[in-house]
Amino acid sequence: GQNIDQPTEMTATEGAIVQINCTYQTSGFNGLFWYQQHAGEAPTFLSYNVLDGLEEKGRFSSFLSRSKGYSYLLLKELQMKDSASYLCAVGDSNYQLIWGAGTKLIIKP
Amino acid sequence: TAGITQAPTSQILAAGRSMTLRCTQDMRHNAMYWYRQDLGLGLRLIHYSNTAGTTGKGEVPDGYSVSRANTDDFPLTLASAVPSQTSVYFCASSDSGEFTDTQYFGPGTRLTVL
Repeated sequence: GQNIDQPTEMTATEGAIVQINCTYQTSGFNGLFWYQQHAGEAPTFLSYNVLDGLEEKGRFSSFLSRSKGYSYLLLKELQMKDSASYLCAVGDSNYQLIWGAGTKLIIKP
Repeated sequence: TAGITQAPTSQILAAGRSMTLRCTQDMRHNAMYWYRQDLGLGLRLIHYSNTAGTTGKGEVPDGYSVSRANTDDFPLTLASAVPSQTSVYFCASSDSGEFTDTQYFGPGTRLTVL
């Protein structure tokens, strides 16, 4: 079967760094997406990785290792507004997106 | 700019009744999608449309139907609602049907079937 695993919830402190992991087992691989979803709102796009390595976008970076079926989202200089759920999604061999259940990130002052 | 709008925002529906969830986008995107989001589960694709006049089934299409008469609108119909269809429904669109395109999501419709 196809599976995306993410921690259910994480807590971090304002100003700190947090790493949210995502492991996947899918039939084929055609890229990995990270989306952010604030409570009660729509998901919004953060990043897309298709090759191994680190992609940096300001305070957010995303890493991919295809051989390990693993990705992480790194958030630096955490702000209270970063409190949200972070969704990992992987494209399978049929180019369908398989979504993880999301990681709820709680930022404390 | 409005982007994607969905209506209604929320709804309580009696089991066995029919309902249409509305979705409209003003970005002239070719592809549109309907997802449901349930607690503890990832987003699941119900139906999609890569261009006006065409539709396809996603992961969980049973009990739902869609139509795509024009580029802007992509309504989702529940013919005879059941309690298991209680969920938050998100409509999304992307520029083309290409997998790598960013998907833009509407604000969602919270549906409760009793």
